[in-house]
Amino acid sequence: AQSVTQLDSHVSVSEGTPVLLRCNYSSSYSPSLFWYVQHPNKGLQLLLKYTSAATLVKGINGFEAEFKKSETSFHLTKPSAHMSDAAEYFCVVGDYGQNFVFGPGTRLSVLP
Amino acid sequence: KAGVTQTPRYLIKTRGQQVTLSCSPISGHRSVSWYQQTPGQGLQFLFEYFSETQRNKGNFPGRFSGRQFSNSRSEMNVSTLELGDSALYLCASSQEGRASPLHFGNGTRLTVT
Repeated sequence: AQSVTQLDSHVSVSEGTPVLLRCNYSSSYSPSLFWYVQHPNKGLQLLLKYTSAATLVKGINGFEAEFKKSETSFHLTKPSAHMSDAAEYFCVVGDYGQNFVFGPGTRLSVLP
Repeated sequence: KAGVTQTPRYLIKTRGQQVTLSCSPISGHRSVSWYQQTPGQGLQFLFEYFSETQRNKGNFPGRFSGRQFSNSRSEMNVSTLELGDSALYLCASSQEGRASPLHFGNGTRLTVT
């Protein structure tokens, strides 16, 4: 069975400082991993995906994530936070059969 | 390419009523999934349809049902509404194939009074 743990329910950073949102997963298969962002009263938008190619994945809006198999982690980073990055972020693991498991989410606050 | 479209965006219903939500997937996407999102439970999987057949189902009571049409558009229905059904209902479509990501609509906000 698959599972996803997002280690922080809330992260607060100052504008212009780095962002780190942590995700650990458990999967019996070679997983597909995704990060999504959700702004208030909106759907989830795909930020990036890992599908067993390069371990460092670049996404939209300057975000990237590194797949570390030995640590079963897929942490999301951004070098410099912007006010518009304030949102909820979800780490997701998928298997062969279009079964997706969502993490509980991390709320990112960006302080001026 | 147009994204996933969900209608209506907002709904207010009374306990005991029923409701139908609609979802139009991205053109060419044959898989449509539905999720319920609440502050307490987070994102919960309702069901997934592919080529008009329910392929996966989450752990929800039979009051929650869905269907998919030949053009891949999907509807979900909730009968005998309860206060706890108040939530954001999200539809997502995807292409077939491993690692095809979900593409979400903006959701329908259902309030049950």
